[in-house]
Amino acid sequence: GAVVSQHPSRVICKSGTSVKIECRSLDFQATTMFWYRQFPKQSLMLMATSNEGSKATYEQGVEKDKFLINHASLTLSTLTVTSAHPEDSSFYICSARDRLQAGAGYNEQFFGPGTRLTVL
Amino acid sequence: EDKVVQSPLSLVVHEGDTVTLNCSYEVTNFRSLLWYKQEKKAPTFLFMLTSSGIEKKSGRLSSILDKKELFSILNITATQTGDSAVYLCAVGSWGKLQFGAGTQVVVTP
Repeated sequence: GAVVSQHPSRVICKSGTSVKIECRSLDFQATTMFWYRQFPKQSLMLMATSNEGSKATYEQGVEKDKFLINHASLTLSTLTVTSAHPEDSSFYICSARDRLQAGAGYNEQFFGPGTRLTVL
Repeated sequence: EDKVVQSPLSLVVHEGDTVTLNCSYEVTNFRSLLWYKQEKKAPTFLFMLTSSGIEKKSGRLSSILDKKELFSILNITATQTGDSAVYLCAVGSWGKLQFGAGTQVVVTP
């Protein structure tokens, strides 16, 4: 159980285009999903917290107009990188917290396999 | 400012050795400490610790949390080449996880 999928796993795009990444919890409901970015040889940096049915909460320094997050259902959150530039090239990882575990106060997050974005 | 510090940043050991990874933290509203293993893709969950002094064990891996001294250790005994990875420590607070920089472990045959 507790499987999170991400799509696509890898994307290459031209500078100026927009890219959408999907994150799905496959066998549990997630009221909260998280989006991280990881640059080579660095740790995961939280970009935003995505709450089902409400606006995402962005971390300091993350542009909300550039990284659009939509969490329309209990199993799906999307991250759209708008007008991507080469400096946006990174490994984007989502995670999800089980709605039932969250209610019990647990912090465990289940991670998706990640999306490698390369902007040319 | 909250912080999670892991040490060492990297180490190389021979198969069969034991490694000890450290994670210290200063985080407000601490709820839990989690260890993850990251190979080429996203992190995979190892342990979650919420109570001090209780050892969590899974095969050759074990971990303990000291909430008084604000640190945790992850031990790997009888290491194998498949243990080569980056090990991430994360602290849960305010509903979020804050990650340390990770420790890269290389196990040589």
